[in-house]
Amino acid sequence: NAGVTQTPKFQVLKTGQSMTLQCAQDMNHEYMSWYRQDPGMGLRLIHYSVGAGITDQGEVPNGYNVSRSTTEDFPLRLLSAAPSQTSVYFCASRSGDRDSPLHFGNGTRLTVT
Amino acid sequence: AQSVTQPDIHITVSEGASLELRCNYSYGATPYLFWYVQSPGQGLQLLLKYFSGDTLVQGIKGFEAEFKRSQSSFNLRKPSVHWSDAAEYFCAVGDSGNTGKLIFGQGTTLQVKP
Repeated sequence: NAGVTQTPKFQVLKTGQSMTLQCAQDMNHEYMSWYRQDPGMGLRLIHYSVGAGITDQGEVPNGYNVSRSTTEDFPLRLLSAAPSQTSVYFCASRSGDRDSPLHFGNGTRLTVT
Repeated sequence: AQSVTQPDIHITVSEGASLELRCNYSYGATPYLFWYVQSPGQGLQLLLKYFSGDTLVQGIKGFEAEFKRSQSSFNLRKPSVHWSDAAEYFCAVGDSGNTGKLIFGQGTTLQVKP
């Protein structure tokens, strides 16, 4: 059982480039979300989804797009990378039960130069 | 709005000593509370969770946490720390709308001295 899989693990971009961070889960979870982790700031929510076809913004959505065409996949798109988007990105999922915990991927470390 | 505060950014304890990591939350109703641990270069692993019932909850790796509504706290404890416990620890509260969102504290980095 793979759980939550994120690719790539590392990425370096130049300012203005675009890319997609991939996230897939094999647990049939309804809820999926993207967080970014920066030193001293904990994890901040970028976007989240409560089911296929439904997405919404989190705390820091600017510069990022998401879509949820299937239950399994929740890609995060950076349309025009900026140095401020240098961070570690985590994808997470959970079932619809309110008392179920989030399951996290191992993260993608992104550097924008 | 919900929020979580971890007052200690960095804590150092000696191996074998007891540990308490503090967490305070702001939430209108009965909160759904979590503690996660992150080892260097890794994702987050759930240590324990609280939803209702017994206010002292047991988790993995010998950790426990106590929910105190009067103090809006959910402190994490371990009686005897091992060197392998060195990591970053995050407290989080689930959002009121059951959207799967968690609000995280800033994290506490634990260093263990031999």
